[in-house]
Formats: sequence, structure tokens, C-alpha cells
Amino acid sequence: AQTVTQSQPEMSVQEAETVTLSCTYDTSESDYYLFWYKQPPSRQMILVIRQEAYKQQNATENRFSVNFQKAAKSFSLKISDSQLGDAAMYFCAYTGTASKLTFGTGTRLQVTL
Amino acid sequence: GAVVSQHPSWVICKSGTSVKIECRSLDFQATTMFWYRQFPKQSLMLMATSNEGSKATYEQGVEKDKFLINHASLTLSTLTVTSAHPEDSSFYICSARKRRQNTEAFFGQGTRLTVV
Repeated sequence: AQTVTQSQPEMSVQEAETVTLSCTYDTSESDYYLFWYKQPPSRQMILVIRQEAYKQQNATENRFSVNFQKAAKSFSLKISDSQLGDAAMYFCAYTGTASKLTFGTGTRLQVTL
Repeated sequence: GAVVSQHPSWVICKSGTSVKIECRSLDFQATTMFWYRQFPKQSLMLMATSNEGSKATYEQGVEKDKFLINHASLTLSTLTVTSAHPEDSSFYICSARKRRQNTEAFFGQGTRLTVV
């Protein structure tokens, strides 16, 4: 079974600074997708970024980028120029041939002035 | 776009009654829908996967007679919590995948269920 691990329950970053959220996963599959979802206080799940395992190039979406290390099964999220609106729970997620999403335990990100 | 609408957003019901939660994909066809439960400050726990026109697949430990899932059309899945008890109080979230796409899932806004 696939597992997703987020070892940082909480992180804090100052506005305009950069923060990196960690995620590792375990799988025996070769074809899969990885995601970072954001859950603000409204609890609506919002897709931040996704990465296809077959792509070597790290995905980037504006201020959000990932460091995908396939051999190490690591998938970290970097948020640059942090904004107050980035404060939320962030979940790392995996999907493979079973087609269901497996979530990590989440990291609560605080953004301070 | 890919909008998933979940209704109701919140519901309070009496212990012993049943409550139905709807999940609709508004602008796409969803062959697969997922139902999650989320306890406060915890992650999303997958309850079941529903495929249009077939029986839902439940995760281990989830009572299928307690949580009835129906996926009768390509745009609608329902979760019925039967004979609800206070311990069923939780936040329930649905998500849907587009037809022929096994990638990202789109989420509803969630339903907060309180059983009194």
C-alpha cells in the first residue's frame, strides 16, 4: 500500500520569505502523480500544484514550486514570497494505478508579519 | 472549469435519523467520485470510491450499511448516513474525477454533520 508522510505538523514563515514543506512517500509503482493541496479555514480543498512521476522537470506554478526526487521518493513544496493568504493546511497526496488519492497528515502553515 | 458542488454545507440531525449528502459535478462528467471524512485538525480519510452505475468500494473499517453511497449518474453521487449517532458527527468531503482522466480530483466544499 502507498503511504504519504509529512513530518512537519506546523511551519511558520514571515511574509515575503520562502518556506519549504516536506513530503515523502512510499510506493512500488512507476507511474503515479503527486499533488499538493491547500485547505484554508473554509476547508475547501484547493489544488496547488501537481507532478507527474514520469516527468523529470519539477513543476512550477507562480510562487509555488516542487523539488521532486523520484529515487528518494521525496516531494517538497517551496512557497516563495509568502503571503498572508498562504496560511492554511497543506496536504501532500499521491495517486497511482488504484486511482484513489492518499493524503499525508498535513502541515499547518502560519504566515507572520 | 471543474466545479464540484456539495450540499448541504452543514446539517444538524437527531440521533437515529438518516441524512443524505449530495455531490454534483456541475460542468463535467465524473465517472469516479470519492467520499472522505475529516476529523478536526486531521487529514482526509477515504471512506469509499463510487463508480457510476456500479456498487461503491468501501475502505477497510467503513461500514457500508451505515454509509450508503449511490452514484446513479455521471454528475451525481450521494452519501446517506443511516441511523446517525453523535460519533458520526464530522466533516464529510466529496471529490470527483473527470471522465477518462486519472489525475487530479476536484473537491466539493464539504458538509459539516452534527448529530445531536
